[in-house]
Amino acid sequence: GQNIDQPTEMTATEGAIVQINCTYQTSGFNGLFWYQQHAGEAPTFLSYNVLDGLEEKGRFSSFLSRSKGYSYLLLKELQMKDSASYLCAVMEDSNYQLIWGAGTKLIIKP
Amino acid sequence: ETGVTQTPRHLVMGMTNKKSLKCEQHLGHNAMYWYKQSAKKPLELMFVYNFKEQTENNSVPSRFSPECPNSSHLFLHLHTLQPEDSALYLCASSQKLGGGGELFFGEGSRLTVL
Repeated sequence: GQNIDQPTEMTATEGAIVQINCTYQTSGFNGLFWYQQHAGEAPTFLSYNVLDGLEEKGRFSSFLSRSKGYSYLLLKELQMKDSASYLCAVMEDSNYQLIWGAGTKLIIKP
Repeated sequence: ETGVTQTPRHLVMGMTNKKSLKCEQHLGHNAMYWYKQSAKKPLELMFVYNFKEQTENNSVPSRFSPECPNSSHLFLHLHTLQPEDSALYLCASSQKLGGGGELFFGEGSRLTVL
């Protein structure tokens, strides 16, 4: 079957670092996406990984291991505005549809 | 002007009503999507349109009827809905279908069925 797993909720402290994990089991693989969604707002694109390794973009980095079916999103120097849900999604190569995880709600405390 | 605009933002309807959700994208994209987002559940893809042609219908009940008159507009017509249809309905667009293209989402229409 197809499955995307990520923690339901995480809490971190302002200024700290947090890692949000995502594991997946899909019939095909054509890349993994991370999106950020603030409460009541549209999801917005954060990153796309299709090859193994780390992609860095400012305070956010995303890592992929295709052999392990595993990705993580790393957020550094956390700010209060980083409080949001983080959605992991895998694109299957058969029909280019995205398979989504349920999202990780990240709470940042002062 | 935002990239993807959805109206209305909030909608309350009875089970016998007929209403429509509207989505408009100003990005010149060729693919448009309807998603359903329920609390603590993964996004559910409902419909996909590519160059105005429907390419996917993920076993969505017939009480949801999509319409794509042109590549910039997408509608979701609703009739005789059930309380379990209450959710956030998100519209999204992408430059092309698949191929690693990112999705641009609207802010959603929050639907409550009484």
